Amino acid sequence: QSILTQPPSVSGTPGQRVTISCSGSSSNIGINVVTWYQQFPGTAPRLLIYSNNRRPSEVPDRFSGSKSGTSASLAISGLQSEDEADYYCAAWDDSLSGPVFGGGTRLTVL
Amino acid sequence: QVQLVQSGPEMRKPGASVKVSCKASGNTFSNYDITWVRQAPGQGLEWMGWISGSSGNTNYAQKFEGRFTMTTDTSTSTSYMELRSLRSDDTAIYYCAKGSIVGAARPWGQGTLVTVSS
Repeated sequence: QSILTQPPSVSGTPGQRVTISCSGSSSNIGINVVTWYQQFPGTAPRLLIYSNNRRPSEVPDRFSGSKSGTSASLAISGLQSEDEADYYCAAWDDSLSGPVFGGGTRLTVL
Repeated sequence: QVQLVQSGPEMRKPGASVKVSCKASGNTFSNYDITWVRQAPGQGLEWMGWISGSSGNTNYAQKFEGRFTMTTDTSTSTSYMELRSLRSDDTAIYYCAKGSIVGAARPWGQGTLVTVSS
């Protein structure tokens, strides 16, 4: 059972906009920034979004992050087949004195 | 352009120890904070700990306290993680990453598969 809660799977069709939610609590998302990682099968995770909504320069602007209260969301617009991957949210947890991950969401492009 | 290259796959028996290396190329390694994360087969990511490149300070996940150690050798730009008293549920891919998970951990090493089996 992960501290941060994500839907196990989401799906969309090419060109569509999809969102992945990440629900936490007042000890993590409620008071700390959220980071998102993307992982393709058989490869290492890569940084996608940091500080809630900032993108590394190499990440397409189709990816965006937001946070409100104790929840965060990752939005992917103009969905492409190459976006099919697992997505993980993470945040520092003050109660645990360490970072916690969501369980991950598998994105399928239909 | 920083790259992290990890050591190869390992197989151990229950009760043994394993040490995985993470070698960096690029800028001044002493400025690198290194995070260790693992991923059991078919499972999600699990944070294990973090070591400061500048001070050597560490922060271990409570779950691994006492049997997990992170070290850094700045002379060879290599960071190490050692996990002791291995159990079958320690079978996982172990990743190192530059930086903090909640900061902007990148890049990541390619991962090292550790298999624990009798």
